[in-house]
Amino acid sequence: SQKIEQNSEALNIQEGKTATLTCNYTNYSPAYLQWYRQDPGRGPVFLLLIRENEKEKRKERLKVTFDTTLKQSLFHITASQPADSATYLCAHSSSNTGKLIFGQGTTLQVKP
Amino acid sequence: EPEVTQTPSHQVTQMGQEVILRCVPISNHLYFYWYRQILGQKVEFLVSFYNNEISEKSEIFDDQFSVERPDGSNFTLKIRSTKLEDSAMYFCASSEDRNSPLHFGNGTRLTVT
Repeated sequence: SQKIEQNSEALNIQEGKTATLTCNYTNYSPAYLQWYRQDPGRGPVFLLLIRENEKEKRKERLKVTFDTTLKQSLFHITASQPADSATYLCAHSSSNTGKLIFGQGTTLQVKP
Repeated sequence: EPEVTQTPSHQVTQMGQEVILRCVPISNHLYFYWYRQILGQKVEFLVSFYNNEISEKSEIFDDQFSVERPDGSNFTLKIRSTKLEDSAMYFCASSEDRNSPLHFGNGTRLTVT
């Protein structure tokens, strides 16, 4: 079955730098991948969706790429701020019921 | 902006008791979901619901669990005979269609003692 893998180690970066988070998947390419942000004790919040035939998607300081050859999506936050500190989740849809399968998430800590 | 609301925010129950977790999805959404997150672990899919019936469920969603949409606005998750390992954060989510992003509520923290 399809698996989504994210680096479980926390990522610590300095304010103003670019944060890059990785999401790898096994087996077949999902039709699309989604990225969510989760703050402690809160529900995930949708950030970006990228389709299989899209190489890159941007929204303000966020950028997502999708490389079907590497079976990987990268999530970038440019000019990072302490307020960007959170856990970022990658997810894919594995069926036609809307069900999403989430990776374990990567926690980002941006230090001032 | 419309949001998914869940009640209660925290529920404490004794082992063996039944609990009902409540959710009000976004009003024009057609797909509804329940997810679970055990402390420190990933967000896990439990069940999806569309057109007044379960469209998919995970291995976790056994006979102990049931969902219902009793009226046009509420979506509930019932857990019968709760066990210690049911302690987790339970998230409700909804989406406009099956390819749209999910909108999550802020969860109900269930503690089984």
